[in-house]
Amino acid sequence: IAGITQAPTSQILAAGRRMTLRCTQDMRHNAMYWYRQDLGLGLRLIHYSNTAGTTGKGEVPDGYSVSRANTDDFPLTLASAVPSQTSVYFCASSERTSGPTSYNEQFFGPGTRLTVL
Amino acid sequence: RKEVEQDPGPFNVPEGATVAFNCTYSNSASQSFFWYRQDCRKEPKLLMSVYSSGNEDGRFTAQLNRASQYISLLIRDSKLSDSATYLCVVNTGSPGGSYIPTFGRGTSLIVHP
Repeated sequence: IAGITQAPTSQILAAGRRMTLRCTQDMRHNAMYWYRQDLGLGLRLIHYSNTAGTTGKGEVPDGYSVSRANTDDFPLTLASAVPSQTSVYFCASSERTSGPTSYNEQFFGPGTRLTVL
Repeated sequence: RKEVEQDPGPFNVPEGATVAFNCTYSNSASQSFFWYRQDCRKEPKLLMSVYSSGNEDGRFTAQLNRASQYISLLIRDSKLSDSATYLCVVNTGSPGGSYIPTFGRGTSLIVHP
């Protein structure tokens, strides 16, 4: 593995079904993020994790949950999918730094295209 | 009002032109700034960080104006391959010491022959 991988690449899902999107990184980055990207709305943060064992809510967390059991993996779960969750989902990671002059470049996975019918 | 605002464009320019994008942000506590490039149906990739003193990378120049709360990206001598969406990203500190990124909606650039 080099960088960030996401699975599946695409998925068509019936409404009401449970779905977990997988994200794995091999860069040993502390911080990881999940975004959804919709036409005209740009990238919106769903959940994030500063380090293994911690998670936080982003701009649009409702209907999604995450876990961070270890450094490398950050799965995103839709407990009961709805059509409004049709989107492209991107996972990202960055080196966690602190201080006013830190620069946290994010590295993105290739995305998962999810369609909920 | 969205925290990070960009003109969606599209900016339609001929090869060789100079084009500039601006991005405004609302949170004065924002600490770090970036420009990302996203090609159609691909993931965003870092184009350049934006430093307080301004910085240049080849044909690309980024500047930060903290007083007016905007960042800019200037592309000189545009190439066909510059056609993409350019995303402005602003990081703001969060509890726990990391930085929460907020993305603008992106500015579309089309460079034509």
